[in-house]
Amino acid sequence: GAGVSQSPSNKVTEKGKDVELRCDPISGHTALYWYRQSLGQGLEFLIYFQGNSAPDKSGLPSDRFSAERTGGSVSTLTIQRTQQEDSAVYLCASSPMRGEQYFGPGTRLTVT
Amino acid sequence: AQSVAQPEDQVNVAEGNPLTVKCTYSVSGNPYLFWYVQYPNRGLQFLLKYITGDNLVKGSYGFEAEFNKSQTSFHLKKPSALVSDSALYFCAVRPPSFSGGYNKLIFGAGTRLAVHP
Repeated sequence: GAGVSQSPSNKVTEKGKDVELRCDPISGHTALYWYRQSLGQGLEFLIYFQGNSAPDKSGLPSDRFSAERTGGSVSTLTIQRTQQEDSAVYLCASSPMRGEQYFGPGTRLTVT
Repeated sequence: AQSVAQPEDQVNVAEGNPLTVKCTYSVSGNPYLFWYVQYPNRGLQFLLKYITGDNLVKGSYGFEAEFNKSQTSFHLKKPSALVSDSALYFCAVRPPSFSGGYNKLIFGAGTRLAVHP
């Protein structure tokens, strides 16, 4: 079956612009997660969805970051007024309730 | 604070030799433990997990990991390394629900494994 997909695979944007990153989870997975992988660093948790609600947003680094999930499926991570330090690979994962997480290929964001 | 440590940035091993990638964690209670592998320009792939039971867990591609509660470690091992095993390996923990963070993974910084012919 299809895995987690993310789009775009690469995004180059100018500082100050807004960007939207999309995640399509595995069908039937109730939980969805966003992580950020910065160069030379591990993965940093951003936000977790259970269904359409986000009970844990503790990892969002600033109020420029937001995310939503609709229909218990697709999720969008939005970064407003991008800064150079936002450059990273943004990974999405989904899981069944309490199961292991399956990751997408990521979106590489470069802010120039 | 909850954390995962992978003390080695890189591990070098000759093909055919055994390999070990180290991981220690600092989490209250009994967490779930995971290993993931990341190949270049690819997402993370699940290798194996420990929840409870036998301390030696077997996973994909011939990898295994040994849980040691007293040392709070979960080292990844393989008896005979392949060149194709060369990748970035991440250890992760999911804390138990009572300590918070039940719904997220806490990752180590990653260890790059290089297997030489």
